Amino acid sequence: DTAVSQTPKYLVTQMGNDKSIKCEQNLGHDTMYWYKQDSKKFLKIMFSYNNKELIINETVPNRFSPKSPDKAHLNLHINSLELGDSAVYFCASSPGTANTEAFFGQGTRLTVV
Amino acid sequence: TQLLEQSPQFLSIQEGENLTVYCNSSSVFSSLQWYRQEPGEGPVLLVTVVTGGEVKKLKRLTFQFGDARKDSSLHITAAQPGDTGLYLCAGVSGSEKLVFGKGTKLTVNP
Repeated sequence: DTAVSQTPKYLVTQMGNDKSIKCEQNLGHDTMYWYKQDSKKFLKIMFSYNNKELIINETVPNRFSPKSPDKAHLNLHINSLELGDSAVYFCASSPGTANTEAFFGQGTRLTVV
Repeated sequence: TQLLEQSPQFLSIQEGENLTVYCNSSSVFSSLQWYRQEPGEGPVLLVTVVTGGEVKKLKRLTFQFGDARKDSSLHITAAQPGDTGLYLCAGVSGSEKLVFGKGTKLTVNP
């Protein structure tokens, strides 16, 4: 069974479109994250939720809106996609905010054309 | 902003060689983690070091946390092609965020 699963794995879309990426974890963890990995492989945190509450919100354009319907799910909606949004987006989870060892999903490669 | 600098950025070696990669910062971290990422996959946690001066071994991999908890190293003995991947260090900051380095891309040639 996949511990942290995100869909889709690949997403190609045109500039200006709105798209969503979904993430689910079956590890029973309290905390979930979205990370962005750029073309140079630099991995940077975007958001963190603990028990459905937003606890970390980095300097991310407000076109990006995370939503956590329950503590096992964290989705990412992106409005008005731009070329610079092209990257690999990783969902991750960890047992709690004090224990930040993260378990990552396989990533969603977003390409904006 | 807490930064983690990893070196070297790229490393290509022959099977059987030893290597060391470094992770340095001017900031103190409460703990430091090492991950390995393979193409098309997410990073996978290898180890967490917490105490200054701590050394942890994972088969042929040896991890060390600096005494001042600002730096770490990963040493691989007798590297194998299966060790190929992107090695990422990540420090836990005071705000309980993981701050990642930019990674060392290791290629072990048969």
